[in-house]
Amino acid sequence: SQQGEEDPQALSIQEGENATMNCSYKTSINNLQWYRQNSGRGLVHLILIRSNEREKHSGRLRVTLDTSKKSSSLLITASRAADTASYFCATDRGSGKLTFGQGTILTVHP
Amino acid sequence: DAGVIQSPRHEVTEMGQEVTLRCKPISGHDYLFWYRQTMMRGLELLIYFNNNVPIDDSGMPEDRFSAKMPNASFSTLKIQPSEPRDSAVYFCASSSILRPLAIDTDTQYFGPGTRLTVL
Repeated sequence: SQQGEEDPQALSIQEGENATMNCSYKTSINNLQWYRQNSGRGLVHLILIRSNEREKHSGRLRVTLDTSKKSSSLLITASRAADTASYFCATDRGSGKLTFGQGTILTVHP
Repeated sequence: DAGVIQSPRHEVTEMGQEVTLRCKPISGHDYLFWYRQTMMRGLELLIYFNNNVPIDDSGMPEDRFSAKMPNASFSTLKIQPSEPRDSAVYFCASSSILRPLAIDTDTQYFGPGTRLTVL
């Protein structure tokens, strides 16, 4: 089954609101990464959190990792219309490759 | 650096034809990945290379798919013969290990993708 499943599948909010996306996975990991994909483009790396970290910040992004629950969340604060994109979590199990989830489609209305 | 370069950006072909997708990874990166993305199946890892050697090709759907990496700056993904169900966006990505003997996979840098349509 899919390692790394995002929730919700789609999220629609107004500009200025916060957006929270969740990711669950099944096996132990070395790190978890979040990527963003704008329509018609390749994926762009946003942030990486290692298995021994619990929280990480980057600008308006905040990522948490709970290894006991095998889950992560991505929070985008004060969202902007330009944040409209698909967001993917990806897990690294130490094999040299990442396993991506199905993604959350975020729509931010101006 | 120009980032990961893929060509062509769009390819339209007829069923049964051979299709070759090309990728130039970021200079100095020692991992190269080929992915396929469709609405139905999402983002799937097809194959990846480390130092030009294929490490895991378990995601390659059929023998019709083959990938090569003759040198550190070039890789191809070939489909022969192509079928309509191969229609998808194919991404190439590259990464590097930050530290010697590191166990973490570094972030992956994706190319713009090749949109393949097989009629």
